[in-house]
Amino acid sequence: NAGVTQTPKFRVLKTGQSMTLLCAQDMNHEYMYWYRQDPGMGLRLIHYSVGEGTTAKGEVPDGYNVSRLKKQNFLLGLESAAPSQTSVYFCASSIQGLAGYTFGSGTRLTVV
Amino acid sequence: AQKVTQAQTEISVVEKEDVTLDCVYETRDTTYYLFWYKQPPSGELVFLIRRNSFDEQNEISGRYSWNFQKSTSSFNFTITASQVVDSAVYFCALVNQAGTALIFGKGTTLSVSS
Repeated sequence: NAGVTQTPKFRVLKTGQSMTLLCAQDMNHEYMYWYRQDPGMGLRLIHYSVGEGTTAKGEVPDGYNVSRLKKQNFLLGLESAAPSQTSVYFCASSIQGLAGYTFGSGTRLTVV
Repeated sequence: AQKVTQAQTEISVVEKEDVTLDCVYETRDTTYYLFWYKQPPSGELVFLIRRNSFDEQNEISGRYSWNFQKSTSSFNFTITASQVVDSAVYFCALVNQAGTALIFGKGTTLSVSS
């Protein structure tokens, strides 16, 4: 039982490049989330999904897109990376939003 | 709007001292959940506790204890006899009644020296 797996773990991008972060969970959870963590800012919600085929914006959605084509996967896309998107990205899943959350180990993204 | 405030940005203590991390939350919901997470230097998020809004009993788990007071909208976390391994960033978080997302405070960095 792997829980929540994020790939890649580290990535360096040049400004303007695009990339996709993958989050996969094997717990059959309905809810999935993408957060970003910046120094002194805590974790801020980017987008979330309450089920396959659904997505919604969180607190800081600009510059990101997401897709949930399969229940177990939640993809976070950066179409044109900017240095302001340098951050650590965490994915999480939950059976239902009030229950416990399982977090991935994070992806450290640097945009130069 | 939901909000979690952790006013203490950084705390430094010497081993064996007790330390309390403060958490104040804002919500208009009558049903909600509060969480504490630990983030050690390795970076992963470690779940510590979840408390629902109807359960104001204090919780104790080993050296950890939590004090939930709805009257002051606070959910404080105390570490008794702190150890170097307790050095980490600690986050308080809130889930609203709709359960759509976990909202985090900005975290408190705890440094325990020997």
